[in-house]
Amino acid sequence: GQNIDQPTEMTATEGAIVQINCTYQTSGFNGLFWYQQHAGEAPTFLSYNVLDGLEEKGRFSSFLSRSKGYSYLLLKELQMKDSASYLCAVFRGAENTNAGKSTFGDGTTLTVKP
Amino acid sequence: KAGVTQTPRYLIKTRGQQVTLSCSPISGHRSVSWYQQTPGQGLQFLFEYFSETQRNKGNFPGRFSGRQFSNSRSEMNVSTLELGDSALYLCASSLGVGLDTQYFGPGTRLTVL
Repeated sequence: GQNIDQPTEMTATEGAIVQINCTYQTSGFNGLFWYQQHAGEAPTFLSYNVLDGLEEKGRFSSFLSRSKGYSYLLLKELQMKDSASYLCAVFRGAENTNAGKSTFGDGTTLTVKP
Repeated sequence: KAGVTQTPRYLIKTRGQQVTLSCSPISGHRSVSWYQQTPGQGLQFLFEYFSETQRNKGNFPGRFSGRQFSNSRSEMNVSTLELGDSALYLCASSLGVGLDTQYFGPGTRLTVL
């Protein structure tokens, strides 16, 4: 995705913690979403951030710094089933309307090893 | 509540043909967005429909078009297919008001020979 950068691949060990970074450059930022996509399946929603700070959701947490154009997804107590692609998406709203547009990063393929 | 459904799930066409893909959003959702996903380009935004009107459009040629019906179901059409149109086409539905979560359908895998 244009102006959104994520590492292409990461590898981690079962039970460990991994942090997937996402940097973006965009105007009209309204929110940042994280999706998980297993091979051959559709993306599923994980979390979103609108304000700066950390949002925790069980084993998954997402952090946002709007001033730095930076977010990360933190996965704790990794399990084999966490092996998937993780997509960062920036939502940009349009002025005076409810319309908006999500731009996705190319995704980070995470491989969890025993 | 049923999720987003897309039909067909798989499709094989030849160059020059045209294709129509269908998407039924989650009940109560009024916005439908379409994306193309390929290994080389990632997830690319095609267009978004809300209340039967196209609200947003990505950078795709005019061969790609869509529409939305009064029941929020949406179709996208690709005319004069090219080999490069082979991709997974994903539809996502949302309430369509401000910042809200998109829920994806299983996708239609299109292969152009």
